[in-house]
Amino acid sequence: ELQLVETGGGLIQPGGSLRLSCAASGLIVSSNYMSWVRQAPGKGLEWVSVIYSGGTTYYADSVKGRFTISRDTSKNTLYLQMNSLRAEDTAVYYCARALSEYTDTWYWFDPWGQGTLVTVSS
Amino acid sequence: DIVMTQSPDSLAVSLGERATINCKSSQSVLYTSNNKNYLAWYQQKPGQPPKLLVYWASTRESGVPDRFSGSGSGTDFTLTISSLQAEDVAVYYCQQYYTTPRTFGQGTKVEIK
Repeated sequence: ELQLVETGGGLIQPGGSLRLSCAASGLIVSSNYMSWVRQAPGKGLEWVSVIYSGGTTYYADSVKGRFTISRDTSKNTLYLQMNSLRAEDTAVYYCARALSEYTDTWYWFDPWGQGTLVTVSS
Repeated sequence: DIVMTQSPDSLAVSLGERATINCKSSQSVLYTSNNKNYLAWYQQKPGQPPKLLVYWASTRESGVPDRFSGSGSGTDFTLTISSLQAEDVAVYYCQQYYTTPRTFGQGTKVEIK
């Protein structure tokens, strides 16, 4: 069974840093396109970042330069390093596999983890 | 960025009746070289992550009940629940995967009347 489990969320002051983790089972993180999607409280879904199986990364403009997506092959885990956090980064952060068929193409998100809540507040 | 706009924001439907959710993209998500619409639909129940329902605009994900169907092409898409069940109460999102950034509609909340 495919399973993604996010950890690392919590309360952090504006300007602070946090690293989220997403441990995978039933799929190999480094062989898949993996993504982070967030959802502010009571709001819709916002794509944050993707890492290709080859290592290429992309970011939403709202987090570019502040967030870094990465992975650890030995731990089969995806990460999101979040720096210079702002109040508007408050959200549940989901990791998800981005279905890919050909190199440099990726489609919908499935499966999703349960999410981890990040609250940026003083 | 492609803007995805759903309508209505919410709707209340009687059990067993049809629910129709619309999604409009600010530009076409039809890739003419393969004639595929790069659009997916998700269902999100309270306290749960989104669940994939439909991809390529009309292909139902394995295990999804056949009362859910997707249709449309180009810029206008529809998710239909043919006979609403109590367990279908949720927020539904469309998502385009034609370009980066991937973008979602604002969501449509479906309730029981």
